[in-house]
Amino acid sequence: AQTVTQSQPEMSVQEAETVTLSCTYDTSESDYYLFWYKQPPSRQMILVIRQEAYKQQNATENRFSVNFQKAAKSFSLKISDSQLGDAAMYFCAYGRGAQKLVFGQGTRLTINP
Amino acid sequence: EPEVTQTPSHQVTQMGQEVILRCVPISNHLYFYWYRQILGQKVEFLVSFYNNEISEKSEIFDDQFSVERPDGSNFTLKIRSTKLEDSAMYFCASSEGTVSIPQHFGDGTRLSIL
Repeated sequence: AQTVTQSQPEMSVQEAETVTLSCTYDTSESDYYLFWYKQPPSRQMILVIRQEAYKQQNATENRFSVNFQKAAKSFSLKISDSQLGDAAMYFCAYGRGAQKLVFGQGTRLTINP
Repeated sequence: EPEVTQTPSHQVTQMGQEVILRCVPISNHLYFYWYRQILGQKVEFLVSFYNNEISEKSEIFDDQFSVERPDGSNFTLKIRSTKLEDSAMYFCASSEGTVSIPQHFGDGTRLSIL
């Protein structure tokens, strides 16, 4: 069974600084997708970024980028120029095609002004 | 941008009562999901639904739970006899099903069992 692990329950960063959230996963599959979802206090689940496992190039969305290390089964999220609105719970998730998403335990990110 | 909509946003129910949570997935999506998040915990998969039948369900999804797509637009989750431990946020999600398209989540229904 696939598992996703986020080893940092909480992280904090100064506004405008850069922060990296860690995620590792376990799978025997070679074709899959990885996602980072953001959950603000309103508790919506908002897709931040996704990475296709077959792509070597790391995904980037504006201030958000990932470091995908397939051999190490590592998928970290880097947030550059952190903003107060980035404060949220961040969940790493694994998925294949139309199958269920498997989520990590989440990392609560605090932005200090 | 199309959205997944869920109603109600908050449901308070007495233990033992039946509750129905409603979702309207994005119109051209084919795969539908329910997830649950107990307060302070991670999001857990409950069930997936495709072509008018359950395609996968988790251990949580026991005989007290059922899903239905009654009219081609709504997707409902029914809990027959609620327990205190059913208190959670319930998220509906939908996807086109192709590998390049992620699941889109609704805003959730907060279920409180008294």
